[in-house]
Amino acid sequence: GAVVSQHPSRVICKSGTSVKIECRSLDFQATTMFWYRQFPKKSLMLMATSNEGSKATYEQGVEKDKFLINHASLTLSTLTVTSAHPEDSSFYICSARDRAGGSYNEQFFGPGTRLTVL
Amino acid sequence: GQNIDQPTEMTATEGAIVQINCTYQTSGFNGLFWYQQHAGEAPTFLSYNVLDGLEEKGRFSSFLSRSKGYSYLLLKELQMKDSASYLCAVRDWMTNQAGTALIFGKGTTLSVSS
Repeated sequence: GAVVSQHPSRVICKSGTSVKIECRSLDFQATTMFWYRQFPKKSLMLMATSNEGSKATYEQGVEKDKFLINHASLTLSTLTVTSAHPEDSSFYICSARDRAGGSYNEQFFGPGTRLTVL
Repeated sequence: GQNIDQPTEMTATEGAIVQINCTYQTSGFNGLFWYQQHAGEAPTFLSYNVLDGLEEKGRFSSFLSRSKGYSYLLLKELQMKDSASYLCAVRDWMTNQAGTALIFGKGTTLSVSS
């Protein structure tokens, strides 16, 4: 149980285009999903918290218009990187918290999406 | 603000025991997690501590001292597959915008050799 998927796993795009990344909880409902960014050999940096049916909460320094987050259902959140530039190249990871809580209220992570902007 | 420190790298041999330390400073501590992450993969949950003391889970144990802002992850009977990055993460009600997300340390890369 507690499986989170992400799609695509890898994407290469040209500078100026937009890229959408999907995060799905496959066997549980997630009222809250989190989006992280990870640079090589660095830790995960929280970008935003996505709540089903409401606006996402962005961390300081993260541009809302640049990283659009939509959490339309209890099993799906999407992150759209708009007008991508090479500096947006990174590993994007989502996580989801089970609506039912779970033993430790822990987050379950997706496998990540490697974005490369040329 | 919050600050989470852990060593950058550690090395050990198969069969040995290794302890990875983590110190943290937070405003509203509400639990500490340890995750394992292999290169290019998502983190996987290892352990959770919210009260002081030791939590044992097979070959892995995690310890917490809230008064000292200190935790460690203990790995016993090391295997080659334990080579990975180990992330210490704190849940902080007050600092994070949403109050529920995890704040991660930079991770400790453990290399296990034969």
